[in-house]
Amino acid sequence: EAQVTQNPRYLITVTGKKLTVTCSQNMNHEYMSWYRQDPGLGLRQIYYSMNVEVTDKGDVPEGYKVSRKEKRNFPLILESPSPNQTSLYFCASSLDRVGEKLFFGSGTQLSVL
Amino acid sequence: DAKTTQPPSMDCAEGRAANLPCNHSTISGNEYVYWYRQIHSQGPQYIIHGLKNNETNEMASLIITEDRKSSTLILPHATLRDTAVYYCIVRVVSSWGKLQFGSGTQVVVTP
Repeated sequence: EAQVTQNPRYLITVTGKKLTVTCSQNMNHEYMSWYRQDPGLGLRQIYYSMNVEVTDKGDVPEGYKVSRKEKRNFPLILESPSPNQTSLYFCASSLDRVGEKLFFGSGTQLSVL
Repeated sequence: DAKTTQPPSMDCAEGRAANLPCNHSTISGNEYVYWYRQIHSQGPQYIIHGLKNNETNEMASLIITEDRKSSTLILPHATLRDTAVYYCIVRVVSSWGKLQFGSGTQVVVTP
């Protein structure tokens, strides 16, 4: 089944403890991206990647890192999480390189205490 | 990207067509109309998009007015699983996946 898989689905952590949210797609998509969704603020793009080893900042990249060493994987890294990074996170991918038609994962609900 | 205006909510009877309006009066010539939906806290799901011609796929139809200032998403035979928030977005295709979700329309399909 074609899908974007995120793990974990739920994560509770404490301030400053490094964490990684994994994202993998099995559709051979070129484009991948991370978003966060907050009440009243809608969906905001964190980082995106249009190809292996190519990443770029979205609208809210501060406090996050990403890597794209393989086409299928695009992990989101929080080196030192803070409470304002408590959010619902989505990974998405697209066959084209500009994110024309996005397929989203099921989401990761992160709580930073 | 141009802003969109959608009604906050609408109800639809199961099996009937659901017609979701969207106003985008400031749309530019190179901006497409996209529709996504989101079932509670799940990942958004792409539905359809178009530039100026009407479009249809297995999920829905998109009707864009001739002046492109508004559009309607049609779910031909609504089911309970179509209950979701529907987002109308206008964007240039090459905007690197940036999606400005507005408030959307909460659609509730009732038996």
